[in-house]
This record gives sequence, structure tokens and C-alpha cells, in this order.
Amino acid sequence: QKEVEQNSGPLSVPEGAIASLNCTYSDRGSQSFFWYRQYSGKSPELIMFIYSNGDKEDGRFTAQLNKASQYVSLLIRDSQPSDSATYLCATSNQAGTALIFGKGTTLSVSS
Amino acid sequence: DAGVIQSPRHEVTEMGQEVTLRCKPISGHNSLFWYRQTMMRGLELLIYFNNNVPIDDSGMPEDRFSAKMPNASFSTLKIQPSEPRDSAVYFCASRSLGYEQYFGPGTRLTVT
Repeated sequence: QKEVEQNSGPLSVPEGAIASLNCTYSDRGSQSFFWYRQYSGKSPELIMFIYSNGDKEDGRFTAQLNKASQYVSLLIRDSQPSDSATYLCATSNQAGTALIFGKGTTLSVSS
Repeated sequence: DAGVIQSPRHEVTEMGQEVTLRCKPISGHNSLFWYRQTMMRGLELLIYFNNNVPIDDSGMPEDRFSAKMPNASFSTLKIQPSEPRDSAVYFCASRSLGYEQYFGPGTRLTVT
């Protein structure tokens, strides 16, 4: 059974700082990883996905994947109060048909 | 285009009652997922349909839970009888090609 682990937080950063969110996974065969953002009382929405080792940048967001260490991270540069949310890390299941989610890390950005 | 539609948005029921949650996926999406989210267990996959056929129901907690997808535009998740531990937010999500799933707004279920 694949597992995805995240620190529940809360992670508190001041406005303008870099927020670093981390995720580890149990199955070395996992190939694809996803970061979802979930505002309180709302549904999850996809913000980034990464398949290859290294970094992938999209605006203020950078996803980092290290398959040797079974580690995925999400960096948010110039954090804004509007980034305050729970961030869910996910990987695909063994059949590649569905997603397995971590419990999420709550980020709080103070102005 | 409308996103994934779920109803009701909130449901409060008494233990032992039957509960039916409804979902309309995004038109053209051929995969549909039901998830349950709680503070303790996070977001858990309950069941996955592809082209209206249940593919993986290993996440359905017990026989009290059942799901159907009679056509490409409608799915139900039924709990009978409901128990207080079923209280959670139930999400429906749909997908076309690739991995991106689009989530509905969720149904907050409270069983007293």
C-alpha cells in the first residue's frame, strides 16, 4: 500500500518569505506527483505536477522531486496571505488510475 | 462550462437513516472518483469509475456503502444505515485524459 507523508503543520511564514512544503512517499516505484491546494471549506485544486527528478517552476511555485530520497517538495516564493491554505501532496496508485493523498500541510502567511 | 456538481451541499441525518449523495461530472469526462475527507484520515479514495464501470472499490469502508453510475452524467453514493463515524466531507471528482482531477464542492455529512 502506497503511503504519502506530510507534516501537518501549521507552517507559518511572513508575507514575502519562501514557504517550503515537504512530502515523502513509501513506494520507490512511484512515478508522478501532484500538489493540490485546498482553501478552508473548499475543494482541492491542482497547482502543480512533476514526473522527473529535479525542479519544475511555474510562476511563484517550484516543485522539486528527488526519487533517490523519495522526497517531493513545493516552494512558494514571495508568499502572500492568499497562499494560506492546506497543501496536499499526492501520487498515483499502482494501477495509475487514481491518486493517493497525504493528509496535507496547513500554511499560514501573515501580513 | 459548469464544473463537477454535487448535491446536497450539506446533509444532517440521524444514525440509522439512509443517505444518498449525488454527483454530476464534467461533460466529456470518462472517469469519476468518490473521496471522503476527515481530519483524522485525510482524503481517501472510496471508489473509481471508468466509462461508468466501477474499476476499484477497495476503498469502500464496508457493505453499508454502495455507489452507482447509471450513465455518464450521474453517480450516487449511498450509505445505509448511516453511523456517526460516517460524518465527513464527501467529494466527487472527474477526469478526462491525464491525471488532473477536477473536484466538486463536496457534501458535508453529519450523522447524529
